[in-house]
Amino acid sequence: AQTVTQSQPEMSVQEAETVTLSCTYDTSESDYYLFWYKQPPSRQMILVIRQEAYKQQNATENRFSVNFQKAAKSFSLKISDSQLGDAAMYFCAYDGGSQGNLIFGKGTKLSVKP
Amino acid sequence: GAVVSQHPSWVICKSGTSVKIECRSLDFQATTMFWYRQFPKQSLMLMATSNEGSKATYEQGVEKDKFLINHASLTLSTLTVTSAHPEDSSFYICSARSTSAYEQYFGPGTRLTVT
Repeated sequence: AQTVTQSQPEMSVQEAETVTLSCTYDTSESDYYLFWYKQPPSRQMILVIRQEAYKQQNATENRFSVNFQKAAKSFSLKISDSQLGDAAMYFCAYDGGSQGNLIFGKGTKLSVKP
Repeated sequence: GAVVSQHPSWVICKSGTSVKIECRSLDFQATTMFWYRQFPKQSLMLMATSNEGSKATYEQGVEKDKFLINHASLTLSTLTVTSAHPEDSSFYICSARSTSAYEQYFGPGTRLTVT
């Protein structure tokens, strides 16, 4: 069975600095998708970034980028120039099934200090 | 972007009653919808996968007779919590997967409190 592990329950970053959130996963599949979702206090799930496993190039969305290491089954999220609005729970998620259901990690709570 | 709505956003009910939560894809068709449950400070736990026109597939440990899911159209799925008890109090989130895109789009969630 696929699993997703986020080993950092909480992280803190100074405003304007850079922070990296870790995520590892386990799968025997070769084709899958990985996602980072943000859940602010409103609890609305917001897609931050996604990565297709067949793509070697790391995905980037403005201040958000990933370091995807397929062989190591690692998928970290880097947030540059952190802003107060980045404070939230961040969930790493795996999608490899035909039904498309997501398997989530336990989440990392990110705090941004002014 | 694709929008998914949930109604109600917050509901309080008495123990023993049933509650229905609606999940709608507003501007796209969704062949598959998912229902998640989230306890405070925890991650999302998949409860069931529903496909339009067929029976839902429930995850292990989820009582299908208690959590009734109906996916009657390509834009609507409903979750009915039957004979609710205080332990059913939780945050329920639905998501919908577009027929034409790979991504899932999440609703804003429903907070259920059973007294």
